[in-house]
Amino acid sequence: TQLLEQSPQFLSIQEGENLTVYCNSSSVFSSLQWYRQEPGEGPVLLVTVVTGGEVKKLKRLTFQFGDARKDSSLHITAAQPGDTGLYLCAGADWGAQKLVFGQGTRLTINP
Amino acid sequence: DAGVIQSPRHEVTEMGQEVTLRCKPISGHDYLFWYRQTMMRGLELLIYFNNNVPIDDSGMPEDRFSAKMPNASFSTLKIQPSEPRDSAVYFCASSFSTRALRTDTQYFGPGTRLTVL
Repeated sequence: TQLLEQSPQFLSIQEGENLTVYCNSSSVFSSLQWYRQEPGEGPVLLVTVVTGGEVKKLKRLTFQFGDARKDSSLHITAAQPGDTGLYLCAGADWGAQKLVFGQGTRLTINP
Repeated sequence: DAGVIQSPRHEVTEMGQEVTLRCKPISGHDYLFWYRQTMMRGLELLIYFNNNVPIDDSGMPEDRFSAKMPNASFSTLKIQPSEPRDSAVYFCASSFSTRALRTDTQYFGPGTRLTVL
């Protein structure tokens, strides 16, 4: 069974600080996606990484896929209150549409 | 585009009652997924369909749960009889397969918050 473990589960920091969220597994994935979920809504895709070692940037968010395709990280620079939410990583096998989700990191950015 | 539509948004029922959750996927999407989200277990895939055919129902917790997709624009998830431990937020998601040997974006609905008393 493929599992994804996210850390930390909860993170509360001040506006302007930097943070990193980790997503780890003992399994190899062909691709990994990051979603953000706000209260009362469904998750929304932020990015998909498909190549080992790949780095993608989305404004102040930087996503990295591990060289061995077993782990990923999300780094946020100068966090803002609008970044508050539940961040979920999800892995998939090659060409498969089925996703395995991590437990999520609940991020709170305090003004 | 209206996005994925789910109804009802909230459902409160008593133990033993039948519950039916409904989903309208994005037009043109060929995959439909049902998920359940709880604080303890996170987001779990229950079942998914491709072109209205169930592909993998290994996540369905037990026989009390059933899902159907009679056509490309409608799916239901039924729980009969419901139990308090079924209380959760149930999400429907849809995607369009680009057949590019990669996992495509899943578009989630707003969810149905189910409370079984």
